[in-house]
Amino acid sequence: AQSVAQPEDQVNVAEGNPLTVKCTYSVSGNPYLFWYVQYPNRGLQFLLKYITGDNLVKGSYGFEAEFNKSQTSFHLKKPSALVSDSALYFCAVRDMPTGRRALTFGSGTRLQVQP
Amino acid sequence: DAGVTQSPTHLIKTRGQQVTLRCSPKSGHDTVSWYQQALGQGPQFIFQYYEEEERQRGNFPDRFSGHQFPNYSSELNVNALLLGDSALYLCASSLEGAGTQYFGPGTRLLVL
Repeated sequence: AQSVAQPEDQVNVAEGNPLTVKCTYSVSGNPYLFWYVQYPNRGLQFLLKYITGDNLVKGSYGFEAEFNKSQTSFHLKKPSALVSDSALYFCAVRDMPTGRRALTFGSGTRLQVQP
Repeated sequence: DAGVTQSPTHLIKTRGQQVTLRCSPKSGHDTVSWYQQALGQGPQFIFQYYEEEERQRGNFPDRFSGHQFPNYSSELNVNALLLGDSALYLCASSLEGAGTQYFGPGTRLLVL
């Protein structure tokens, strides 16, 4: 069975500082990894994905994520945080590349960026 | 290009009632997945529809059922509502080969 762990319920960072939101995963085959962001009373918005290839994936709004197979991690990063980045972030995994399989989500990490 | 749309946005029901939620996928997408997001938790997979058939199902009871129409839109039905069914219900659409599921804004269901 596939699973995702987001070890931090909340991450606090000052505006302009770099941010990292952690994610580790477990899957039997090759992992296909995703990050989504959720603003209050909204659905999930796709940020980026890793399917194969370069371990550093660049996504929307200046976010990037680093895939580390040996550590089974897929941490979300941004070089300089904005107050508007404050939201709930979800990591998700799937064991196949297609759109026709279920995503397994972590419990989410709330990012608070202080001005 | 419209994204994934869901209706209604909010719904209040009482225990024992039945509810139907609706989803229209992103243009060009052929697969619809439904997720339940309880307060303070990550989304949990309910089931997925492709070619008008349920292709995969999560750990949800038979009270949860669905349908996909020829135009790829979908419905989620929940019978005999329980208080614990109160949640945000999210619909996601995708396309074979693309790999990415795009989510709608959700329907917030409150069961009293």
